[in-house]
Amino acid sequence: QVHLVESGGGVVQPGGSLRLSCAASGFMFGSHPVHWVRQAPGKGLEWVAVISYDGSEKYYTDSVKGRFTISRDNSKNNLFIQMNSLRFDDTAVYFCARGMVRGIGIDDWGRGTLVTVSS
Amino acid sequence: QVVVTQEPSLTVSPGGTVTLTCASSSGAVTSGNHPSWFQQKPGQPPRAVVYSTNNRHSWTPARFSGSLLGGKAALTMSGVQPEDEADYYCLLYYGGGLLGVFGGGTRLTVL
Repeated sequence: QVHLVESGGGVVQPGGSLRLSCAASGFMFGSHPVHWVRQAPGKGLEWVAVISYDGSEKYYTDSVKGRFTISRDNSKNNLFIQMNSLRFDDTAVYFCARGMVRGIGIDDWGRGTLVTVSS
Repeated sequence: QVVVTQEPSLTVSPGGTVTLTCASSSGAVTSGNHPSWFQQKPGQPPRAVVYSTNNRHSWTPARFSGSLLGGKAALTMSGVQPEDEADYYCLLYYGGGLLGVFGGGTRLTVL
């Protein structure tokens, strides 16, 4: 059974940094691309970033380019996102989501971790 | 950046049929955008419904079907059930297939 468990969320001041983790189990983590998706309170989903199965390709939405860095450790089945220069509008629940091996899409989601940027 | 647009809200009667659409500001949605659809109920993470235009996941009921319709991606639900009441989001991919953009979501009410 696929499990994705995010951690590392919390309250941080504007301009601060936070590193989120996603622990994966129940599948061959190193075979799948993995995404970060966020959802501000009461708002819709926003795609944030993706990393290819081997970490060689990374893509980001414009609003986080240069501030967020996605990475993975396939030996430990972990996904990360380093978030720097955090802004009020980065406040959201951050989900990790498994990309598909065959085809392009997302098939499984974690339950998310809440990041609150507040002074 | 590209903007993806969905109907903000739709209402359907139980047993009825409804079509949700997903448009791209960059032009017609094609199979190359690999349209995906997700269902989200309050307090829950999203759940994948359809991928790559018209492919259901193993857990997706047959009453859900994806397509391309008039330059947009579409999700049609036939024989709608009360449990289908939820927010629905489309996701389009750009730049070769990995860079994604979600639509704003459609709140579907079953009434």
